[in-house]
Amino acid sequence: NAGVTQTPKFRVLKTGQSMTLLCAQDMNHEYMYWYRQDPGMGLRLIHYSVGEGTTAKGEVPDGYNVSRLKKQNFLLGLESAAPSQTSVYFCATWDSLNTEAFFGQGTRLTVV
Amino acid sequence: KQEVTQIPAALSVPEGENLVLNCSFTDSAIYNLQWFRQDPGKGLTSLLLIQSSQREQTSGRLNASLDKSSGRSTLYIAASQPGDSATYLCAVINDYKLSFGAGTTVTVRA
Repeated sequence: NAGVTQTPKFRVLKTGQSMTLLCAQDMNHEYMYWYRQDPGMGLRLIHYSVGEGTTAKGEVPDGYNVSRLKKQNFLLGLESAAPSQTSVYFCATWDSLNTEAFFGQGTRLTVV
Repeated sequence: KQEVTQIPAALSVPEGENLVLNCSFTDSAIYNLQWFRQDPGKGLTSLLLIQSSQREQTSGRLNASLDKSSGRSTLYIAASQPGDSATYLCAVINDYKLSFGAGTTVTVRA
């Protein structure tokens, strides 16, 4: 039982490059979330999904896009990376039956 | 918009002392509250989950209380050890979103 798996774990991008972060879960949870964590600012919600085919904006959505084509996968895209997007990104899942939130191990992204 | 605040931001105690970490939230219509631990450069480890209908949860040396009406939760760690040094985060779920506090960074001195 892998739980929540994020790919990749580390990445260095040049300004203007694009990339996609993958979050995969095997717990059949309905709700999935993408957060970024910056020093002194806690975890801030970027986008989230309440089910397959749905997405919604969180607190800091600008510069990011997401897709949930399959229930088990939630993708976070950066179309044109900027140094301000240097951060650690966490994926989380939640289900109203289980009620406990589970997190991936994080992706450390540096944009130079 | 849910606002979650954790006080203090940092705490340094000698080994053996009890720890008291506070979390407050502005919207009391929460589904549950969860406490996490995060070590430097690492991911989040779930410590305790308190359902909205519960008043407290215990796991070993950890005890968390929840007062939904006043928008507060407290995490108690008994007889602290150097291995308890980490950042502790509380998160609440309402409107299907998890909202986090900025965390309390704990240092336990040997």
